[in-house]
Amino acid sequence: DGGITQSPKYLFRKEGQNVTLSCEQNLNHDAMYWYRQDPGQGLRLIYYSQIVNDFQKGDIAEGYSVSREKKESFPLTVTSAQKNPTAFYLCASRATGAEGYTFGSGTRLTVV
Amino acid sequence: GQQLNQSPQSMFIQEGEDVSMNCTSSSIFNTWLWYKQDPGEGPVLLIALYKAGELTSNGRLTAQFGITRKDSFLNISASIPSDVGIYFCAGQLTSGTYKYIFGTGTRLKVLA
Repeated sequence: DGGITQSPKYLFRKEGQNVTLSCEQNLNHDAMYWYRQDPGQGLRLIYYSQIVNDFQKGDIAEGYSVSREKKESFPLTVTSAQKNPTAFYLCASRATGAEGYTFGSGTRLTVV
Repeated sequence: GQQLNQSPQSMFIQEGEDVSMNCTSSSIFNTWLWYKQDPGEGPVLLIALYKAGELTSNGRLTAQFGITRKDSFLNISASIPSDVGIYFCAGQLTSGTYKYIFGTGTRLKVLA
């Protein structure tokens, strides 16, 4: 079955460390997105990519980095520069011309 | 970044009751989407709306694109326990960008 897979489900990070969240899709979607979700807030866009080897900053890109070397993969690195990284991170993809995203099941990152 | 206002923030209802929630903004949107998120999972698309005044149903769910294009409404009829979750609206400001602003969410709890 086609889908979008995020791993790990739960991730713990020490302050000052970088950590990379994985997102893989086998839906053949061109566009991929990373969102951050905090309690009581809507989803906020971190980065997005419309095509391989190209990506753009979203509304809250500071302290994050991404790469899009393959169509199927869009990993997100949370760097030590991100001051408040504890959150639920959602990856999504979208088929060309389609409205709406297909979301992964998320990664909950906790800084300890 | 901009966010959409959803109300109510949370609601407890009895099984079998109808539910109404809405999403409002000061901006005009071209597309409205409604998503449902189960605990610890990614959101799933429920309904997409494309024209002002449009009324669309998906089973017991009915959503409307407001006439002013600044709001949208979601109704759930005869609620059941599995309706529990967080409902998000998402609006697209400019057609074809596929960039959405998400609402703050309505948390629904159904009492059996």
